[in-house]
Amino acid sequence: DAKTTQPTSMDCAEGRAANLPCNHSTISGNEYVYWYRQIHSQGPQYIIHGLKNNETNEMASLIITEDRKSSTLILPHATLRDTAVYYCIVKAAGNKLTFGGGTRVLVKP
Amino acid sequence: GAGVSQSPSNKVTEKGKDVELRCDPISGHTALYWYRQSLGQGLEFLIYFQGNSAPDKSGLPSDRFSAERTGGSVSTLTIQRTQQEDSAVYLCASSLTGLAGDTQYFGPGTRLTVL
Repeated sequence: DAKTTQPTSMDCAEGRAANLPCNHSTISGNEYVYWYRQIHSQGPQYIIHGLKNNETNEMASLIITEDRKSSTLILPHATLRDTAVYYCIVKAAGNKLTFGGGTRVLVKP
Repeated sequence: GAGVSQSPSNKVTEKGKDVELRCDPISGHTALYWYRQSLGQGLEFLIYFQGNSAPDKSGLPSDRFSAERTGGSVSTLTIQRTQQEDSAVYLCASSLTGLAGDTQYFGPGTRLTVL
């Protein structure tokens, strides 16, 4: 599975949009982009995933560039409960998720 | 509906003892995965089940680790002769089909401490 690169950490203000970037320049055509987050001491929580098109659900939006080499997770109105480590993962049919270091997001009042 | 459940939530054992960790996947999910997360580290894949078969065991760290799944549902991860380096949170996930665009949903994990 392709490797991803994310910033180590970022802060954002409560109530503002949080934009989390991810580079996956070696992604293959059959690999999906997944986002999970992990709040301290809990299991990873699925957020969203996509292949080519932008996706939106009740939690977030996923914007994938046309060349698929990068993507951005958008949390539209960050709350203090969104403080977590966010993982960007690319996955094909090999089934296992390969977690990198993720981005540690701190939402500040 | 009910999510993935794991038991026990915490397990403290002495070095050299065997432990069994249990995972109940989401009902109807054919694929089941075990991962572990050591303190301050990322998640490490251990094993993947499709039904009762394990086509990918590549992440099991040693022959002290084994897992089985029966009836296409519950899975048990067994660690024999536990060592201190086995201390970690063991996470189970399940997905409906295991195909490329499928989503894995995680349980709360079992925190294993080996003294």
